[in-house]
Amino acid sequence: AQSVTQPDIHITVSEGASLELRCNYSYGATPYLFWYVQSPGQGLQLLLKYFSGDTLVQGIKGFEAEFKRSQSSFNLRKPSVHWSDAAEYFCAVASEGGSQGNLIFGKGTKLSVKP
Amino acid sequence: EAGVTQFPSHSVIEKGQTVTLRCDPISGHDNLYWYRRVMGKEIKFLLHFVKESKQDESGMPNNRFLAERTGGTYSTLKVQPAELEDSGVYFCASSQVRAGELFFGEGSRLTVL
Repeated sequence: AQSVTQPDIHITVSEGASLELRCNYSYGATPYLFWYVQSPGQGLQLLLKYFSGDTLVQGIKGFEAEFKRSQSSFNLRKPSVHWSDAAEYFCAVASEGGSQGNLIFGKGTKLSVKP
Repeated sequence: EAGVTQFPSHSVIEKGQTVTLRCDPISGHDNLYWYRRVMGKEIKFLLHFVKESKQDESGMPNNRFLAERTGGTYSTLKVQPAELEDSGVYFCASSQVRAGELFFGEGSRLTVL
């Protein structure tokens, strides 16, 4: 069965430090992969997505993610974290055989930023 | 342009009562989705409308849940009768095209006591 694993429930980084949030997926074919962010009091916002092509994907707010098929991973990175990045981050894969809006989400990683 | 709006933002009801959640998608978005996050668990897909038609309802947990989208505009999700395990945050999302970006609402938090 398809699944998405985000092994870190909560991460704390200092402002200005680099960030990497881990995501592993289980999927039979070429996956459609997404990262979403939910800031306090907001809905989920799409950060970036991978469908095909270049395995390094650039997103909004200075985020990027790298698709590694051999590791079944799609980790999210940012070189320098800002206090406004404190939020919950969700990795997702489009359900195989389903519409591309039928997403399978990981449990999320909550990011705290220390001043 | 208004985003996806959901109402109510928070609802507290007793077990056995009925609750109706409403979602207004972005104007012109034919695709509308409902998701649910139970505390501590993943956000899970419930169903997908294309205009007024249910395209995929594979995630609906049981027949206590009824989703409608009359006229292909706003959608309602009714839970009747509510059970304790229905507590969680219900998200609505819309997209202009089937493979397009999903725009999510802020969610409706349901607490069943």
